[in-house]
Amino acid sequence: DTAVSQTPKYLVTQMGNDKSIKCEQNLGHDTMYWYKQDSKKFLKIMFSYNNKELIINETVPNRFSPKSPDKAHLNLHINSLELGDSAVYFCASSQGRRSVTFGPGTRLTVT
Amino acid sequence: DAKTTQPPSMDCAEGRAANLPCNHSTISGNEYVYWYRQIHSQGPQYIIHGLKNNETNEMASLIITEDRKSSTLILPHATLRDTAVYYCIVSPEYGNKLVFGAGTILRVKS
Repeated sequence: DTAVSQTPKYLVTQMGNDKSIKCEQNLGHDTMYWYKQDSKKFLKIMFSYNNKELIINETVPNRFSPKSPDKAHLNLHINSLELGDSAVYFCASSQGRRSVTFGPGTRLTVT
Repeated sequence: DAKTTQPPSMDCAEGRAANLPCNHSTISGNEYVYWYRQIHSQGPQYIIHGLKNNETNEMASLIITEDRKSSTLILPHATLRDTAVYYCIVSPEYGNKLVFGAGTILRVKS
């Protein structure tokens, strides 16, 4: 009965590659997010989608492209990976004026 | 940038109450105070939130000062599993664009 799930949990790849992280929520929430936690442990929002529409896009390089095929899914595609992209990426969701539920995270390591 | 200030770390004895302070002197009238925690390597977990009244749920209590410039999260009977980073966040809406600061590392010790 996982609420917010992400795959993969770990991702190790080389610089220059393109990779995707998938996220699914079974809570019926209408808003989904991607957050990034860097090596210094600071959590920062990257994107927010409401009913498949982008509503928040922080200053994220355009190598990062979120895609929401439906309300329950928000995938993150990253092109031309760089060393600085190494981080833990958290997917999350919320419904209207309620608390945010976070996924377990995907640890991305770029070598 | 985060609009809150928290002590970097605190210790608490197991079974005792853990009181985590947070300063948010620039909070706006429509902003709520949220608390989340992050247990090692896991995603952040919602704890509690409030606007101006004190709040209590099964996890914790939230005490907000009358001027709303500070608050305290209270874990009434801390256990070892409460060891985590605790984040105090102010936000005008539920869930949208949570701005996380450095948080407080709470260590519960036996």
